Amino acid sequence: DGGITQSPKYLFRKEGQNVTLSCEQNLNHDAMYWYRQDPGQGLRLIYYSQIVNDFQKGDIAEGYSVSREKKESFPLTVTSAQKNPTAFYLCASRTEETQYFGPGTRLLVL
Amino acid sequence: GQQVMQIPQYQHVQEGEDFTTYCNSSTTLSNIQWYKQRPGGHPVFLIQLVKSGEVKKQKRLTFQFGEAKKNSSLHITATQTTDVGTYFCAGRTRGGGTSYGKLTFGQGTILTVHP
Repeated sequence: DGGITQSPKYLFRKEGQNVTLSCEQNLNHDAMYWYRQDPGQGLRLIYYSQIVNDFQKGDIAEGYSVSREKKESFPLTVTSAQKNPTAFYLCASRTEETQYFGPGTRLLVL
Repeated sequence: GQQVMQIPQYQHVQEGEDFTTYCNSSTTLSNIQWYKQRPGGHPVFLIQLVKSGEVKKQKRLTFQFGEAKKNSSLHITATQTTDVGTYFCAGRTRGGGTSYGKLTFGQGTILTVHP
């Protein structure tokens, strides 16, 4: 069964802690993306990667970091430098036409 | 930078009524995509429009791309309760440092359908 998996579905973090969100895809897509979604807003691009061992900052990269050591995996770390980390985080990969999203991780900072 | 504005932000309709959401870009787009996100779910790709003036239909859904490739609309005929969710447009421009171009999402229109 092909697709994108994200874990965990819900994540609670204490203020000041770093946390890593997992994203795995078995669609054999080169390009992968991380978006952040807040209520009443569209999706905002955090980071993207077009190929293994390469990634680029999106529109709101401050306070986040990523790695792309394998084609299948694109983990996102939310660092303590991110001032408002509570949000819904969506990972995506794409073909030339279609972008496929994972189920998302809801991060809540306590 | 590129901006994609989508209106309305909210739309409440009675089941059977029609629904339209509009998307406007500050720059000319190479293509535009539409996504649907069910409550509690993730966005799901609906369609991509590429050509100026293009119109595509999917059952009760009609998608249009403007002649200037700066605006688009999604129209749903005779809404059903299964249509509830948030509808996003996403406009793509070439360049932006990527081979695929930069995809910018609108804020979305939240559709509620009352039975």
